[in-house]
Amino acid sequence: DIQMTQSPSSLSASVGDRVTITCRASQSISSYLNWYQQKPGQAPKVLIYAATSLQSGVPSRFSGSGSGTDFTLTISSLQPEDFATYYCQQSYSSSRTFGQGTKVEIK
Amino acid sequence: QVQLQESGPGLVPPSQTLSLTCTVSGGSISSGGYYWSWIRQHPGEGLEWIGYIYYSGSTYYNPSLKSRVTISVDTSKNQFSLKLSSVTAADTAVYYCARLDSSGYYVDYWGQGTLVTVSS
Repeated sequence: DIQMTQSPSSLSASVGDRVTITCRASQSISSYLNWYQQKPGQAPKVLIYAATSLQSGVPSRFSGSGSGTDFTLTISSLQPEDFATYYCQQSYSSSRTFGQGTKVEIK
Repeated sequence: QVQLQESGPGLVPPSQTLSLTCTVSGGSISSGGYYWSWIRQHPGEGLEWIGYIYYSGSTYYNPSLKSRVTISVDTSKNQFSLKLSSVTAADTAVYYCARLDSSGYYVDYWGQGTLVTVSS
């Protein structure tokens, strides 16, 4: 299986902050990388697919970058509704895998 | 708008088989073009892919669960199902059914999730 490692596991930030979350794959996955947001008690929701494509309806403050093994999710100006857990997920391999998650908390 | 809804027992005794069904509305499984998936989340933990199925019946299972998992589809009822055998407490989780987008690469629709507890 391809292992996905996110960093940090958690972070504290204030409204308006720029937030960056990193995801590293154990082998090259080209651009087959997706990002999800999950709020407590809810199913995840896709934010970014194919590393850089913004899902329809997702605010433009979310952006993704990277290819190969290193990827980044950036929130340009953190809003109150963005406090949640974020997961990366690779779709390069038939055996899909997720990162362990990054919890974004209020500072 | 596609909607998915999980159903099944919330409590399963150890060593028994966990059985869940996902009913799809707002779209037809038999129209093709999509993979239908099961994903689980242990309490307070991350997400684990269980497997997925195409309307034709072709499947892919997580290698770590493959020996215990069966995913099937019933196009006449617009449903797909999960069976996980020989369950233990480690299988206690929220189970989500989901649809992979037309590229097959990411989940674009999720069910609300159902908590299954393995306990006697």
